[in-house]
Amino acid sequence: NAGVTQTPKFQVLKTGQSMTLQCAQDMNHNSMYWYRQDPGMGLRLIYYSASEGTTDKGEVPNGYNVSRLNKREFSLRLESAAPSQTSVYFCASSDRDRVYEQYFGPGTRLTVT
Amino acid sequence: AQRVTQPEKLLSVFKGAPVELKCNYSYSGSPELFWYVQYSRQRLQLLLRHISRESIKGFTADLNKGETSFHLKKPFAQEEDSAMYYCALFTGGGNKLTFGTGTQLKVEL
Repeated sequence: NAGVTQTPKFQVLKTGQSMTLQCAQDMNHNSMYWYRQDPGMGLRLIYYSASEGTTDKGEVPNGYNVSRLNKREFSLRLESAAPSQTSVYFCASSDRDRVYEQYFGPGTRLTVT
Repeated sequence: AQRVTQPEKLLSVFKGAPVELKCNYSYSGSPELFWYVQYSRQRLQLLLRHISRESIKGFTADLNKGETSFHLKKPFAQEEDSAMYYCALFTGGGNKLTFGTGTQLKVEL
């Protein structure tokens, strides 16, 4: 089992460019999450999907969109990247009844110039 | 709204010294608290949960509702304990975790 996989691992964008971060899990989890990790700010929830077909905003959703493509996949899209979105992005998944036990991907380091 | 506070960004201790990573929370209901850890070049992972009351890798954490704290403790630090530690709060109804800002623990020889 690969667990939670994320692509790409690194990305550099110019201001205004768009991109999609991909996330997939093979643990048959219902719930999936996108976080950003910034120095001094910790982990902040961007969006989450409690189950296939549903998505909800987290703490910092502005500038992002998400798609729960199927039970396995949950993508994060930046429509018009800004330097403030320079961060490390983590995808995670959990069983619906064990939200507290989240399994994280390796992260995507994104730089917006 | 719920909030998790980790006052120390960096905690540096010598090998063999006691470790205490502080975590305070604010939540009016009945919380569930957790510690997550991220070792260098590894993924963030669950370390322990308050309800289990177990010791993982020598670490323990007791929920103190009076002081709204969930400090992580270990009597004798080891070099392999060096990592980033996050305290997290689960409030049930929100179907999500709220993480603190994290504390980088550095164990020096």
